[in-house]
Amino acid sequence: GAGVSQTPSNKVTEKGKYVELRCDPISGHTALYWYRQSLGQGPEFLIYFQGTGAADDSGLPNDRFFAVRPEGSVSTLKIQRTERGDSAVYLCASSPRGMGGYTFGSGTRLTVV
Amino acid sequence: SQQGEEDPQALSIQEGENATMNCSYKTSINNLQWYRQNSGRGLVHLILIRSNEREKHSGRLRVTLDTSKKSSSLLITASRAADTASYFCATDPPGAGSYQLTFGKGTKLSVIP
Repeated sequence: GAGVSQTPSNKVTEKGKYVELRCDPISGHTALYWYRQSLGQGPEFLIYFQGTGAADDSGLPNDRFFAVRPEGSVSTLKIQRTERGDSAVYLCASSPRGMGGYTFGSGTRLTVV
Repeated sequence: SQQGEEDPQALSIQEGENATMNCSYKTSINNLQWYRQNSGRGLVHLILIRSNEREKHSGRLRVTLDTSKKSSSLLITASRAADTASYFCATDPPGAGSYQLTFGKGTKLSVIP
């Protein structure tokens, strides 16, 4: 597609549930990133993929968070046993070869109640 | 953790005036980028300035970088109501394959028609 697509745009879930957030990057972009943005803050890095592999997952806050990109295009961010503190906007971005300005998606607003 | 600090946190100006936002950071950088965000969702890449550049222009945008002071400024000339948004600076560290952006908390700009 023309841009980075993220689905769903909004997700409300109950504490303790499992959620999956999807990112469809720009075709041909080998680099894909996940960021999390809490209210009133700038985005914070979670994980970076180059192709199919997670080149850097140092930003994942704990082992409840996991992300995959099995075919080197679409990525899924998975959160187990959600907590209220996980509520945030989850942003995905892609770029060619990990360089230069990113193209961000519109984000998924996750609310854990 | 946030590296950049934007200043001011909020700025309100009349349409047609210039808007200046500043960003300070703490560690050495490879590049510094500015992004715009509307309504807390997707970020739009505005401009990238490399660590060996001092000034860059793009349309009504002018960015300066002073690596000795670890600071950057974004100037929007002849502002329009449509420029109302939050503006973030983001840095990436030096080194081959640097990709992880560290964002500041942003400046919320309001342009009054």
